[in-house]
Amino acid sequence: DAGITQSPRYKITETGRQVTLMCHQTWSHSYMFWYRQDLGHGLRLIYYSAAADITDKGEVPDGYVVSRSKTENFPLTLESATRSQTSVYFCASSPDGMNTEAFFGQGTRLTVV
Amino acid sequence: AQSVTQLGSHVSVSEGALVLLRCNYSSSVPPYLFWYVQYPNQGLQLLLKYTSAATLVKGINGFEAEFKKSETSFHLTKPSAHMSDAAEYFCAVSVNTGNQFYFGTGTSLTVIP
Repeated sequence: DAGITQSPRYKITETGRQVTLMCHQTWSHSYMFWYRQDLGHGLRLIYYSAAADITDKGEVPDGYVVSRSKTENFPLTLESATRSQTSVYFCASSPDGMNTEAFFGQGTRLTVV
Repeated sequence: AQSVTQLGSHVSVSEGALVLLRCNYSSSVPPYLFWYVQYPNQGLQLLLKYTSAATLVKGINGFEAEFKKSETSFHLTKPSAHMSDAAEYFCAVSVNTGNQFYFGTGTSLTVIP
């Protein structure tokens, strides 16, 4: 299917475990982003990538790791999950810069217990 | 640095009434501005965008927004609210010299029958 797909849609994990959220886009967009959405904070950027093998930190990167070995995939890993990382995570992609819109996935609701 | 302020985290309107959602931005260079809508348990989808062409921008579902440089505003309006407009609305800003979108904290719109 064309578009941007996140998996899983829902995940419950225990404190201290490593968890990876997957993001796949079929458009070959250069830019990809990871946001977390929390009540009262809106969307906050965790990491972004301007191209394969190029990543950079956003506003709230601590505790997260990303990689982008292929243009279409941008996984987000929580190395040792904490309760404060309970959130809804959105992946997005954008074709070629900031004058074009971002296209969002459906989100992953992560609960850390 | 860029930032976005959405005045009013919750707005209620009667069905058929005017919808006005406020967005003010801060940017040292000409911005690109966006409004996104998020329905429950879904990702964000683009309503409209301003990219330095016409200052009055028309979007989907009857929404429009006007870029006012002197007021650093990009308020979203719709003449007549429909029940299906109930959702969360996010204003976002980006600039050509940056690599990020900056989102406001969102406004939850309730439409009263």
